Amino acid sequence: DAGVTQSPTHLIKTRGQQVTLRCSPKSGHDTVSWYQQALGQGPQFIFQYYEEEERQRGNFPDRFSGHQFPNYSSELNVNALLLGDSALYLCASSLIATNEKLFFGSGTQLSVL
Amino acid sequence: ILNVEQSPQSLHVQEGDSTNFTCSFPSSNFYALHWYRWETAKSPEALFVMTLNGDEKKKGRISATLNTKEGYSYLYIKGSQPEDSATYLCALYGQNFVFGPGTRLSVLP
Repeated sequence: DAGVTQSPTHLIKTRGQQVTLRCSPKSGHDTVSWYQQALGQGPQFIFQYYEEEERQRGNFPDRFSGHQFPNYSSELNVNALLLGDSALYLCASSLIATNEKLFFGSGTQLSVL
Repeated sequence: ILNVEQSPQSLHVQEGDSTNFTCSFPSSNFYALHWYRWETAKSPEALFVMTLNGDEKKKGRISATLNTKEGYSYLYIKGSQPEDSATYLCALYGQNFVFGPGTRLSVLP
């Protein structure tokens, strides 16, 4: 049973560019959430996708957008990259509307130069 | 908006020592409190999910308690081992997950 997989592992971009990160949830999970983890902070909630729609959104600008596909996999897109977007981006999968634990991928380390 | 704090930020203990750290929050307006262990170069992994005031959970040498009335949760590690070295995150689940900044534990052999 494959867990949560994320790609790519590392990415280097320059300011102003756009980036797409990908996530495949754990088998049987229908919900994908994305988090940004900067140095010294806990993961910050970006948004959550369920049934191909954004259900919840954290305090992130519209430059951050996402998508969920019929197979429950998800993408995170960031436009007009800023230096401050450099962080580890974590994807987590779960079942919708439960208290059940999150299953995390190993993350994508994004560096914006 | 929930604000989750964790203390200490980091600590170093000797192998065999027992230790504990705290997750604190100002409100009981949430559905569950989660603890995660995040080892370097790995993914965060769930330890406990607690929902009720007075909840106590145990997994091997690690246990946790929840006090929603006073707004804290404790994580205890008995007889720390080097493999316990990790960042321990707590998170509140309300409308979504709000994570604390974590406590980084280093167990020295």
